[in-house]
Amino acid sequence: AQTVTQSQPEMSVQEAETVTLSCTYDTSESDYYLFWYKQPPSRQMILVIRQEAYKQQNATENRFSVNFQKAAKSFSLKISDSQLGDAAMYFCAYRSLMEYGNKLVFGAGTILRVKS
Amino acid sequence: DTAVSQTPKYLVTQMGNDKSIKCEQNLGHDTMYWYKQDSKKFLKIMFSYNNKELIINETVPNRFSPKSPDKAHLNLHINSLELGDSAVYFCASSSEVTGGVNTIYFGEGSWLTVV
Repeated sequence: AQTVTQSQPEMSVQEAETVTLSCTYDTSESDYYLFWYKQPPSRQMILVIRQEAYKQQNATENRFSVNFQKAAKSFSLKISDSQLGDAAMYFCAYRSLMEYGNKLVFGAGTILRVKS
Repeated sequence: DTAVSQTPKYLVTQMGNDKSIKCEQNLGHDTMYWYKQDSKKFLKIMFSYNNKELIINETVPNRFSPKSPDKAHLNLHINSLELGDSAVYFCASSSEVTGGVNTIYFGEGSWLTVV
């Protein structure tokens, strides 16, 4: 079974600065998807960014980018020019392409605090 | 026009009661899910349905019974509620497109408190 580890329970960043959230995963599969979801205090789960494992190019969405290191099984999220609205819990998630059902396996989450 | 909507958003009930949470998606997706987020904010899948057919049941107690009347709806009924059932329950949906990323979209969550 796959596992996802987020080793940083909590991170802080100054407004306008850059922060990187770590995620590692364990799998024996060669093809899969990886996601970062944001959960603000409202509890809504919002997709931030996604990455297909077969793509070598790192995904980018505006101020959000990932550093995907397939051999190291690492999938970190970089937030540039941090804004107060970025404060939330961030979840890294893995989706197998081998298992039927399209389920997401989540990490434990990282709380991101943004200081003004 | 919320893509994945679930009701109620908040529910406080006594132990032993039976309650239901409803979910509807207007995205045209063929797969729907229930996830549970516990007090430590850990998220785990409970059920997955594809075209009204159960395809994932992650060792959830049989007090939990999902029902999918059509592929746009997936309701969750819980019998004999226990204190440990207190959690936020998320409905979600996705489209099983071959070759696609098949992103899962979540509802706003239903916060269940059992007292």
